Amino acid sequence: KAGVTQTPRYLIKTRGQQVTLSCSPISGHRSVSWYQQTPGQGLQFLFEYFSETQRNKGNFPGRFSGRQFSNSRSEMNVSTLELGDSALYLCASSPLPRTGGPSEQYFGPGTRLTVT
Amino acid sequence: SQKIEQNSEALNIQEGKTATLTCNYTNYSPAYLQWYRQDPGRGPVFLLLIRENEKEKRKERLKVTFDTTLKQSLFHITASQPADSATYLCAPPDQAGTALIFGKGTTLSVSS
Repeated sequence: KAGVTQTPRYLIKTRGQQVTLSCSPISGHRSVSWYQQTPGQGLQFLFEYFSETQRNKGNFPGRFSGRQFSNSRSEMNVSTLELGDSALYLCASSPLPRTGGPSEQYFGPGTRLTVT
Repeated sequence: SQKIEQNSEALNIQEGKTATLTCNYTNYSPAYLQWYRQDPGRGPVFLLLIRENEKEKRKERLKVTFDTTLKQSLFHITASQPADSATYLCAPPDQAGTALIFGKGTTLSVSS
């Protein structure tokens, strides 16, 4: 099976702009989670989608949003970019929703976002 | 609030030795805990999951323990190799079980 893919891999944006990142999960996986990884804060949970519904949300401002399509592909959007949004954004898919019990997450390679 | 701590940011060992990484959690009792490996520039890769009623879990050269009294999980790599050099992350679920909380990781360097 093909792994989780994320596009684009690298992105440079200017403060105040908005950005959309894309994630294609492993075939058959219906749960997609998004994480932000920075050297200072580590890996932090943004949100999880299952069957096109946001199931859970982390402690991030409303500028961070996402959606999931009927084919389980997901996008996340960050509006009004700030310098502190520079990070590696990781998408992970799983066959089960988080509340369905313990199941491993399969991560994509990430999108490296730099905000200048 | 729940807190996850991986005691060492970096661990340097010689090839062939056993690496032991520590993950401590406070203020709650997770039902399970996962360990991941992350290489530079790549996403984490799942290694092992251990449940609270399991004392120990093994997979090839990897061994994980889960001590609910000490609120600690230990991750061991026996007969370590330079290819084991990476950052290792522990990840229990949050108190509601709705999201994984990742530790900041321990970067292991195995020298030949």
